[in-house]
Amino acid sequence: DQQVKQNSPSLSVQEGRISILNCDYTNSMFDYFLWYKKYPAEGPTFLISISSIKDKNEDGRFTVFLNKSAKHLSLHIVPSQPGDSAVYFCAAIIGGTSYGKLTFGQGTILTVHP
Amino acid sequence: DAGITQSPRHKVTETGTPVTLRCHQTENHRYMYWYRQDPGHGLRLIHYSYGVKDTDKGEVSDGYSVSRSKTEDFLLTLESATSSQTSVYFCAITQGSGNTIYFGEGSWLTVV
Repeated sequence: DQQVKQNSPSLSVQEGRISILNCDYTNSMFDYFLWYKKYPAEGPTFLISISSIKDKNEDGRFTVFLNKSAKHLSLHIVPSQPGDSAVYFCAAIIGGTSYGKLTFGQGTILTVHP
Repeated sequence: DAGITQSPRHKVTETGTPVTLRCHQTENHRYMYWYRQDPGHGLRLIHYSYGVKDTDKGEVSDGYSVSRSKTEDFLLTLESATSSQTSVYFCAITQGSGNTIYFGEGSWLTVV
């Protein structure tokens, strides 16, 4: 049972345009959500997170939106750059007792073309 | 940089042999984790530790054991490796609030 799903295996965008990566979850107990970026042969790196008490969090070119009623979150990258080409994972956690135990989506491969 | 070092970074082993992966951290983090990454599955938690000699199972713990005899080292052991354990293994730690984890560089394991 995949509790966190990224239904788009890949996304291709032009440099300078917006990249939108989507993530859906089924467990209503999740109350904290994170996005990680992963380059080949490297470990995932933390990008941005959002608590369930918010519906938006912004950090530079990266914005995460959370729609709790739809159990959906998205990561917006504006403007997209070729260096953003990587695999993006969304992750969710039940805060408190689930300390550090994240549930990940399958990942979306983002390719940004110059 | 989370101060995590994984070893070995790459290993090829034969089915049925024991394998131990090591995660070493230098910043006295209490919580440590082992995840595996496989196509179509994202990352899945194998085992985690919340202190010296305190460990617990994650989502995909069958076939794996762990040990943490000192704060800085968290070992993952495959007692008898199988081809289904061919994967990339990531160690991770928790910093600060505990909801965000930070990963090491990964250990690529191939079981032939």
